[in-house]
Amino acid sequence: EDKVVQSPLSLVVHEGDTVTLNCSYEVTNFRSLLWYKQEKKAPTFLFMLTSSGIEKKSGRLSSILDKKELFSILNITATQTGDSAVYLCAELRGNQFYFGTGTSLTVIP
Amino acid sequence: IAGITQAPTSQILAAGRRMTLRCTQDMRHNAMYWYRQDLGLGLRLIHYSNTAGTTGKGEVPDGYSVSRANTDDFPLTLASAVPSQTSVYFCASSRQWSDTDTQYFGPGTRLTVL
Repeated sequence: EDKVVQSPLSLVVHEGDTVTLNCSYEVTNFRSLLWYKQEKKAPTFLFMLTSSGIEKKSGRLSSILDKKELFSILNITATQTGDSAVYLCAELRGNQFYFGTGTSLTVIP
Repeated sequence: IAGITQAPTSQILAAGRRMTLRCTQDMRHNAMYWYRQDLGLGLRLIHYSNTAGTTGKGEVPDGYSVSRANTDDFPLTLASAVPSQTSVYFCASSRQWSDTDTQYFGPGTRLTVL
């Protein structure tokens, strides 16, 4: 049973490209949708989204939630090699967090 | 200490042995969590604690137990380790159990059960 589904599984791009990562989730007891970046070790927090249609932005990264279609996207513009990581999406549903398997992004110089 | 620490960093364990993974945070966060991360399965919640003195089961609690005697510490115990418990274990904490609070993750413990 897939609770949080991320796509694509992996992505290889060149520096300067723009990428869009996708995350779909379940509606039951939905509370919020979170994005994390995981490099070698622990995931680090990027965004938390609770309201539909409101874009959150941090530098070259932005994210938006669509509560009608039950998905979120994470955009990275002008990618750099330092953006290479696994990007995790997580849904806070009820009182538990459910994570997707992640999208592995590789940015080639 | 700043943030969340976990110990040990890595461990190789014989099947059947008991093992406790330690997690300590100094941010006075009320909520703490244990996850395991496996290739192809992502992060899965094992147990959580909303506040000191309370714990709850996550998605994959079988074979694991936790305790929360105080705010700072949240140890995870494998009573009798099995090879399927080979994984990377992450501890996390957040200020409150809330949909507005960020989770902060520890550096992880890589456990191999032979």
